[in-house]
Amino acid sequence: AQSVAQPEDQVNVAEGNPLTVKCTYSVSGNPYLFWYVQYPNRGLQFLLKYITGDNLVKGSYGFEAEFNKSQTSFHLKKPSALVSDSALYFCAVSLNYGGATNKLIFGTGTLLAVQP
Amino acid sequence: DAGVTQSPTHLIKTRGQQVTLRCSPISGHKSVSWYQQVLGQGPQFIFQYYEKEERGRGNFPDRFSARQFPNYSSELNVNALLLGDSALYLCASSLDKNIQYFGAGTRLSVL
Repeated sequence: AQSVAQPEDQVNVAEGNPLTVKCTYSVSGNPYLFWYVQYPNRGLQFLLKYITGDNLVKGSYGFEAEFNKSQTSFHLKKPSALVSDSALYFCAVSLNYGGATNKLIFGTGTLLAVQP
Repeated sequence: DAGVTQSPTHLIKTRGQQVTLRCSPISGHKSVSWYQQVLGQGPQFIFQYYEKEERGRGNFPDRFSARQFPNYSSELNVNALLLGDSALYLCASSLDKNIQYFGAGTRLSVL
């Protein structure tokens, strides 16, 4: 069965420092990977996706993610964190991108706290 | 352009009651999906509709049902509410089964 793991419940980083939020996946076949961010009392906002091609994907708000097939990972990164980046981040995988049912399977989320 | 809109934003029900949640997709989006997010967990897939037909169902009991209307809006119905149904219910729409864009959700509390 396909699954997504986010091994860290919380990541703490100082403003201006680089940040990494980790994600690993377990699927059979080619994965389609996504990152979403959730602010308090808000829905999920799409950040970026990996479908195929370049392993480094650039997304919204200066975020990027690196796809590593051998390590089955899709870590979210940002070179310089902002206090406003503090939120709950979810990694998700889909097996049927563009197919009849492209349900998303989410990880449990990682709370990012950026200290001023 | 308006994003995905959901109503109501908050809802309080008692055990055994029935509830209907509503979702309006982004204009032009034909696919709507429903997810349940329990506190401290990631969203769990409930249903997906495309062009008014059910295209996928998650591991939820038959108390959960949904439908999509000709204007692509959707309703999620939950019967015989249990305490464990308390959650944030998220609706997402997508264009031709592409990236899913989420609404702010409906927070359901079952007492």
